[in-house]
Amino acid sequence: QQQVKQSPQSLIVQKGGISIINCAYENTAFDYFPWYQQFPGKGPALLIAIRPDVSEKKEGRFTISFNKSAKQFSLHIMDSQPGDSATYFCAASNFNKFYFGSGTKLNVKP
Amino acid sequence: DVKVTQSSRYLVKRTGEKVFLECVQDMDHENMFWYRQDPGLGLRLIYFSYDVKMKEKGDIPEGYSVSREKKERFSLILESASTNQTSMYLCASSPSSYGYTFGSGTRLTVV
Repeated sequence: QQQVKQSPQSLIVQKGGISIINCAYENTAFDYFPWYQQFPGKGPALLIAIRPDVSEKKEGRFTISFNKSAKQFSLHIMDSQPGDSATYFCAASNFNKFYFGSGTKLNVKP
Repeated sequence: DVKVTQSSRYLVKRTGEKVFLECVQDMDHENMFWYRQDPGLGLRLIYFSYDVKMKEKGDIPEGYSVSREKKERFSLILESASTNQTSMYLCASSPSSYGYTFGSGTRLTVV
């Protein structure tokens, strides 16, 4: 049973557009929700993370929105750029054990 | 910057071979992890370790074992490689409950 469900599986966005990736979880004990960015041939790298006591966190063009009651969180990439083309993973963790979503392959067209 | 180094980027092994994947981190992290990454399935936890000589099973430990004799090194062992173990293997380390750092991965092909 997948602990974290991620959608969509792939996403195509025009340069300058907004990319939105969604994740849902079931376990209310999760207390840390990171997003990872992975380029081909590289390991995932931490992009941005949020804890459940806040509803939004913004770092540059990247924003996490968190809805505790719905058990959902999402990544918004504003003014998407071709350099943002990568695979994005959401995750949720509790006591140092991370559960990852299945990944979203983002393609930003010039 | 924390560095997590996986010894091989690409490996090709034969069915039935014993395979060792090595991972070394340079920041004195207590926690180390092995994941495999498959298209459409995301990252799945194989084994993890909170300390030297300690290991715990993750979600898909069957067919794998691990060794952690030194704090900085965490090895994944495929006792008898099979074709369904063809995958990307990722090692990660963390100092505490938050903040994984991943290695670049080892792409293993079993023929």
